[in-house]
Amino acid sequence: DAKTTQPPSMDCAEGRAANLPCNHSTISGNEYVYWYRQIHSQGPQYIIHGLKNNETNEMASLIITEDRKSSTLILPHATLRDTAVYYCIVRGYSTLTFGKGTMLLVSP
Amino acid sequence: DARVTQTPRHKVTEMGQEVTMRCQPILGHNTVFWYRQTMMQGLELLAYFRNRAPLDDSGMPKDRFSAEMPDATLATLKIQPSEPRDSAVYFCASGPTDRGSGELFFGEGSRLTVL
Repeated sequence: DAKTTQPPSMDCAEGRAANLPCNHSTISGNEYVYWYRQIHSQGPQYIIHGLKNNETNEMASLIITEDRKSSTLILPHATLRDTAVYYCIVRGYSTLTFGKGTMLLVSP
Repeated sequence: DARVTQTPRHKVTEMGQEVTMRCQPILGHNTVFWYRQTMMQGLELLAYFRNRAPLDDSGMPKDRFSAEMPDATLATLKIQPSEPRDSAVYFCASGPTDRGSGELFFGEGSRLTVL
């Protein structure tokens, strides 16, 4: 699976949009971009995934660049409960390989 | 809500003892994964099953760890003998497919402490 690069940490004010970037310059054509998050002491939680097109669900939006070499996860109105480690993962026909992720701290 | 169930949630044991962790995947899911998480190494894949058959256990120390799926509703991870360095949170995950388009659902984990 292709490797991803994420900033180690980010801050966001409550109520504002949180934009979490991810670089995956070696992604292959059949590999999906996945986002998971892990709130302290809990199991990783699926957020969203996409292949080429932008995706939106009740939790977040995923913006994938046209060349697919990077993506951004958007939490439109961050709350304190969104404080977590966010993992960007590129997955083909295989398992999920987790990197170190981005620690997002949402503050009042 | 369908969920992955792991037992025990917490286990404290002494070095040399056998430890068995259990996982009930979501009904209908045909892939099961075991991960281990420590502060130093993060989330590491230990083993991976499709249709109860082990496909990849290269991340697992073979001399002391074993993973099995006796049936479609139960996956087990056994450590014998346990060592202090095995202290970690062990997560089980299941998914409807191992193709790139399938999401994984994780359990709440089993926190193991080996003294």
